[in-house]
Amino acid sequence: EPEVTQTPSHQVTQMGQEVILRCVPISNHLYFYWYRQILGQKVEFLVSFYNNEISEKSEIFDDQFSVERPDGSNFTLKIRSTKLEDSAMYFCASSPGLQVLSSYEQYFGPGTRLTVT
Amino acid sequence: AQSVSQHNHHVILSEAASLELGCNYSYGGTVNLFWYVQYPGQHLQLLLKYFSGDPLVKGIKGFEAEFIKSKFSFNLRKPSVQWSDTAEYFCAAIVLSGGSYIPTFGRGTSLIVHP
Repeated sequence: EPEVTQTPSHQVTQMGQEVILRCVPISNHLYFYWYRQILGQKVEFLVSFYNNEISEKSEIFDDQFSVERPDGSNFTLKIRSTKLEDSAMYFCASSPGLQVLSSYEQYFGPGTRLTVT
Repeated sequence: AQSVSQHNHHVILSEAASLELGCNYSYGGTVNLFWYVQYPGQHLQLLLKYFSGDPLVKGIKGFEAEFIKSKFSFNLRKPSVQWSDTAEYFCAAIVLSGGSYIPTFGRGTSLIVHP
């Protein structure tokens, strides 16, 4: 069964450094998403991406964040200058994104645990 | 703003006990509801979903959930839990207005099942 993959599984970085989190969505999916989950808190939506552009973003997704689909398979989340409060689990998801609502069901990757020191 | 509430943050049960995890959402209108499960060290997986029709939804691994519109609830149930059900459970909702299909997640409920 196809699945969403994410690398690395765990990233440790120093405050102020840039990090890039990588995701490979399911190959025929059209919508891509990033979520984060701070330890002990709820899963929070960051951004959705469709047709090579951001379709929605939350208040959390400020100027220090960016997303990119550099090739036909990868979907990346970049944090330009990390802060301590960016420490969280970051989940990538994808969905088929066709006109039928059920195709917006999201398939999640295993997550990348980001630790900012 | 829309929100999803899961009132039980931590639940501890013995095997064979019955389970009910609460989920409430805070808005009217048409919603689609989901329960996801995250087993230790694994990714979020869809347990079941409600779009329309029969409000009692059957999911994988013996789970079911009932959509009660008047109570704005979508509680997850399982009549007899197993040790392997130990996981984090997340309720999520999509509000069908404004063209957004981004789900709002609840905080999650940690379930521990003792053998």
